[in-house]
Amino acid sequence: GPKVLQIPSHQIIDMGQMVTLNCDPVSNHLYFYWYKQILGQQMEFLVNFYNGKVMEKSKLFKDQFSVERPDGSYFTLKIQPTALEDSAVYFCASSSDWGGSNYAEQFFGPGTRLTVL
Amino acid sequence: GDQVEQSPSALSLHEGTGSALRCNFTTTMRAVQWFQQNSRGSLINLFYLASGTKENGRLKSTFNSKESYSTLHIRDAQLEDSGTYFCAAHTEGADRLTFGKGTQLIIQP
Repeated sequence: GPKVLQIPSHQIIDMGQMVTLNCDPVSNHLYFYWYKQILGQQMEFLVNFYNGKVMEKSKLFKDQFSVERPDGSYFTLKIQPTALEDSAVYFCASSSDWGGSNYAEQFFGPGTRLTVL
Repeated sequence: GDQVEQSPSALSLHEGTGSALRCNFTTTMRAVQWFQQNSRGSLINLFYLASGTKENGRLKSTFNSKESYSTLHIRDAQLEDSGTYFCAAHTEGADRLTFGKGTQLIIQP
């Protein structure tokens, strides 16, 4: 099936540092998402992104978070500065259409495990 | 409360047997996806349904938006079916997936 790639698979950083998580979405997809999964807990929506803009974000998407996809390159999630509670696995997803259509299936990457010390 | 209630939270089956997982929704959902999360943490797409029933091999899923539930049936379970299964629903009027808490499935020889 369609593949979403995420780089790196693991990242360990000190609290207060900046981190950028990279996502290479499915090539013809236009809608992009980040989700957060704390160990042993359910997956939670952070943000969606379309046409260069954040369309929706959840309460988990703190002011220290930002997303962008400059010129069709990686779709990135940046956290600056990081906090201990940001430790989690972050999943990127992409879709060919928006959630209200009949073709809104989201495909997920393998996740980036972020550990903040 | 949770918009997606998934049950059971854990399930143990012997190889060759089958069972059903269920998600109930407390708000209107437009479509549902089912995933298997394997031991490496990767999410594998199993089904995407806006309505009705789909079947793929030993798996079958149904989504009834009017009665606000979805099911995933597994038959003739194999060892490689072990993992955590999540349902996730597309909320009406929003472009996001709301996940259930998952079912940890263990297949025993």
